[in-house]
Amino acid sequence: TQLLEQSPQFLSIQEGENLTVYCNSSSVFSSLQWYRQEPGEGPVLLVTVVTGGEVKKLKRLTFQFGDARKDSSLHITAAQPGDTGLYLCAGPPSGGSNYKLTFGKGTLLTVNP
Amino acid sequence: DAGVTQSPTHLIKTRGQQVTLRCSPKSGHDTVSWYQQALGQGPQFIFQYYEEEERQRGNFPDRFSGHQFPNYSSELNVNALLLGDSALYLCASSLEPKGSTDTQYFGPGTRLTVL
Repeated sequence: TQLLEQSPQFLSIQEGENLTVYCNSSSVFSSLQWYRQEPGEGPVLLVTVVTGGEVKKLKRLTFQFGDARKDSSLHITAAQPGDTGLYLCAGPPSGGSNYKLTFGKGTLLTVNP
Repeated sequence: DAGVTQSPTHLIKTRGQQVTLRCSPKSGHDTVSWYQQALGQGPQFIFQYYEEEERQRGNFPDRFSGHQFPNYSSELNVNALLLGDSALYLCASSLEPKGSTDTQYFGPGTRLTVL
């Protein structure tokens, strides 16, 4: 079983601060996805990283896939209250399609105004 | 363009009862996956339906079953409910997977509480 460990589990910061959350595994993933889930909603896909060492930017969010494709990070610059939510990383089984995603437990981010 | 819809939004059942949850995929999608998300946890894959057949299954007992209809909508059935079945049940739709970067779109979920 391929497990994804996310840290920290909880993070509470003030508006304008920067933060980084992590997603780690002992297994290699062919790709990793990051989702944000708000209360009462399903997860919404933010990005998919595929290539080891890849960096993708989405406005104030920067995603990185580790060189060995075993870990990923999400960095948020100048966090805003609208960034509040549960951030989940997920990946497909190695060599497989993404329909059987393995999810981490998530990082619950609260950005206080 | 309607996204993934699920019904009901909330449901309360008692132990031993049976429940049916429903999902309509995003327009144009033919594949439906179901996930269980317990409180404080990430979603866990239950199974996936494509062409009205269960194609892949996660580590869930036979009490969990499903169905896909010709219009691609899907149902999740859970028999003999246990307290531990209390969770948010998520449906995700996609086009028939072609590779590791295919995108799944999640519905808002059904919150099931078992008393």
